[in-house]
Amino acid sequence: QSALTQPASVSGSPGQSITISCAGTSSDVGGYKYVSWYHQHAGKAPELVIFDVTNRPSGVSDRFSGSKSGNTASLTISGLQAEDEGDYYCSSYTSSRIRVFGGGTKLTVL
Amino acid sequence: EVQLVESGGGLVQPGGSLRLSCVASGFTFSNCWMNWVRQAPGKGLEWVANIRQDASEKYYVDSVKGRFTISRDNAKNSLYLQMNSLRAEDTAVYYCARAFSMDYWGQGTLVTVSS
Repeated sequence: QSALTQPASVSGSPGQSITISCAGTSSDVGGYKYVSWYHQHAGKAPELVIFDVTNRPSGVSDRFSGSKSGNTASLTISGLQAEDEGDYYCSSYTSSRIRVFGGGTKLTVL
Repeated sequence: EVQLVESGGGLVQPGGSLRLSCVASGFTFSNCWMNWVRQAPGKGLEWVANIRQDASEKYYVDSVKGRFTISRDNAKNSLYLQMNSLRAEDTAVYYCARAFSMDYWGQGTLVTVSS
């Protein structure tokens, strides 16, 4: 039950686009369509921004998009805004019928 | 409006027990998988357990198997986490989260395991 692998940090300027990767295995990310992404502001509860690899919950900006290639999922944020700062976590369903999170990525908007 | 409110956290000695509760409102609780997720101070998220709508399936992360038990009472719109044999490494904010995709989260309750 190893955690998924995310970069520790990414940064970008307002208006730019950034991508956060989430590397797993064929037993989790690569084997299922159940990859989700969460945004957590400091001291707050996480919020879902992408589910089932590519789907956006209602109310989430279309600047957020998700994709997957093989055992790696990605979250892209376009038109970066200051409010996008915070920590981002990926999560996947696994062949053990449990869920696993990535270690988290801190996004800084310069 | 979907709301999840956790309670039951606090300070407990190593080896002790604690029962967390999560009361749900604003949706049909009995239709949803439910999860517990924790976050140690300054650390990332860790999925702990989940339970099917009718409680017929329950799954746990290896580190809590045999010590924690997830349960629910659909008549009371409530989710529970019974935590026994607590260890220092169980210290965390514990969140309940709705559904398979964990689309809504409560604000969390802090559990501190320390002597």
